[in-house]
Amino acid sequence: ETGVTQTPRHLVMGMTNKKSLKCEQHLGHNAMYWYKQSAKKPLELMFVYNFKEQTENNSVPSRFSPECPNSSHLFLHLHTLQPEDSALYLCASSQVATKGGYTFGSGTRLTVV
Amino acid sequence: TQLLEQSPQFLSIQEGENLTVYCNSSSVFSSLQWYRQEPGEGPVLLVTVVTGGEVKKLKRLTFQFGDARKDSSLHITAAQPGDTGLYLCAGEGSGNTPLVFGKGTRLSVIA
Repeated sequence: ETGVTQTPRHLVMGMTNKKSLKCEQHLGHNAMYWYKQSAKKPLELMFVYNFKEQTENNSVPSRFSPECPNSSHLFLHLHTLQPEDSALYLCASSQVATKGGYTFGSGTRLTVV
Repeated sequence: TQLLEQSPQFLSIQEGENLTVYCNSSSVFSSLQWYRQEPGEGPVLLVTVVTGGEVKKLKRLTFQFGDARKDSSLHITAAQPGDTGLYLCAGEGSGNTPLVFGKGTRLSVIA
């Protein structure tokens, strides 16, 4: 399989649940990202990993916890979320310093009830 | 914080019409990218522009980077229903910082 793959595509969870989003890239890229996409807002950068090291955390609440076990896999662990966290969560990868752009996955549509 | 303003926010046109969407900022970017996103999918890269004044063409789409590298435009000639989608511009600052995205222009082309 090529490109960036995200699972699950859809997720409905209660505010007391714990779940994880998974992202996998088969492009040999050295950077991976989590973005949040909500209606009427620009894509919001959440976390950045360069060579498996977290280089950015844009003041994201601790109920979101990223994990990058290797350069091909990225997880977003979720716990005690709020209804306003409902959004499309997009994973992307890139090869740093090449101007080659980001390759995005199809996203996980998350609904918190 | 670098911000990108896109206009118009929404655009609905008839098949065959021409259109231009804009991406503006007060900040200078080392490169600027355009993406198209269709419902239920992630954004897909259309083009990257790097040099001030650069013009790139992709079939019926023409992309221009402003001379000062603060703004960009996307012109579509003879729009088709397949062009429907959310068009996002994204700027890269200096030092390989992560992309900053605009809110997007939602285009609907009616047959």
